[in-house]
Amino acid sequence: ELKVEQNPLFLSMQEGKNYTIYCNYSTTSDRLYWYRQDPGKSLESLFVLLSNGAVKQEGRLMASLDTKARLSTLHITAAVHDLSATYFCAVDRGNKLVFGAGTILRVKS
Amino acid sequence: GAGVSQSPSNKVTEKGKDVELRCDPISGHTALYWYRQSLGQGLEFLIYFQGNSAPDKSGLPSDRFSAERTGGSVSTLTIQRTQQEDSAVYLCASSLGSSSYNEQFFGPGTRLTVL
Repeated sequence: ELKVEQNPLFLSMQEGKNYTIYCNYSTTSDRLYWYRQDPGKSLESLFVLLSNGAVKQEGRLMASLDTKARLSTLHITAAVHDLSATYFCAVDRGNKLVFGAGTILRVKS
Repeated sequence: GAGVSQSPSNKVTEKGKDVELRCDPISGHTALYWYRQSLGQGLEFLIYFQGNSAPDKSGLPSDRFSAERTGGSVSTLTIQRTQQEDSAVYLCASSLGSSSYNEQFFGPGTRLTVL
């Protein structure tokens, strides 16, 4: 059974600082997605990573995928308040996505 | 264009009643998914529809849960004899379903509260 683990589960960051969220998964997959969820809202797609070594960047967020290590990272550069949200990674199992528990990110002014 | 829509946005029901939740996928998307998001269990897959193929029901938690997809478009998730542990946000997603990957686009969800 595929397990997806994110850490940390909660991250309190200061504005301007850098940090990384990690997503480990237990069985082979070469498709991984990152989503953002604001309180009371649905999931917004951030990144689609489709192969080993894939790197995608959008603004202050950069995601990468290492399928050999079964690891994806979401790096946050110079955090700003607008990035406060919950971030989920999800591994594609064909018929479904298996989600991590989510990382609650709070950026303090 | 229009995204995935779901109705109702909120549903409060009494234990033992049946509820129906509706999902309207993005036009042209052949794959449709239901997930459940609850505090204790996180985001869980429930069921998957792809075109005219038999649905993958492997995530349905009990036989009180069922889903239909009529005409390859709108889907209805039905929960019979609701229990308090069914309280959660039910999310619907759709994808093109025909490419080598399935980026899923999520609807706003239905928040179900069982009293």
